[in-house]
Amino acid sequence: GNSVTQMEGPVTLSEEAFLTINCTYTATGYPSLFWYVQYPGEGLQLLLKATKADDKGSNKGFEATYRKETTSFHLEKGSVQVSDSAVYFCALSLTGANSKLTFGKGITLSVRP
Amino acid sequence: DVKVTQSSRYLVKRTGEKVFLECVQDMDHENMFWYRQDPGLGLRLIYFSYDVKMKEKGDIPEGYSVSREKKERFSLILESASTNQTSMYLCASNGVPLYEQYFGPGTRLTVT
Repeated sequence: GNSVTQMEGPVTLSEEAFLTINCTYTATGYPSLFWYVQYPGEGLQLLLKATKADDKGSNKGFEATYRKETTSFHLEKGSVQVSDSAVYFCALSLTGANSKLTFGKGITLSVRP
Repeated sequence: DVKVTQSSRYLVKRTGEKVFLECVQDMDHENMFWYRQDPGLGLRLIYFSYDVKMKEKGDIPEGYSVSREKKERFSLILESASTNQTSMYLCASNGVPLYEQYFGPGTRLTVT
């Protein structure tokens, strides 16, 4: 079946630190990959996406590259801010699967001033 | 802006009560979804619907049912609430591009 594995959390960083959140996946076909973010008290919102191998998704200073050879989609940001404190979810979707998303367990990021 | 609204942010119900969670989207989306979110488990799909009056079970449908009488509205029903259904419930919808789901703010349900 399809699954998404995220690194264990929580993660606490100081402001301006470099961020990497690991995500690997297992899928029966060729998935599209996503990062969603959930700020405190809110629903999830799409952060970035990549729909085929070697695509790089980017938004708000965050980046992730679709690596088919390592089945990974790691999230990175060069300099985090306090406002980046949130829960981050990696997810995949298979074409033709009624666009259902399979989510990882999520990881909480806290950024200290 | 796409808007997905949920009827309540917080809800407290007693064991055995019938509970209705309502979700409305304003973008004419075909697909709508109900998830529950629990610490350490992430989001798990309960039910989804790809058209009016159509529904399909997700990964954890036991103890839940759904209703979609109008395109914009998708209801989640707990026929007889139990304490293990205490959770955060998130509704989502999508249209085109199909892969981007839009989420509501969530309903935190406590069953006592």
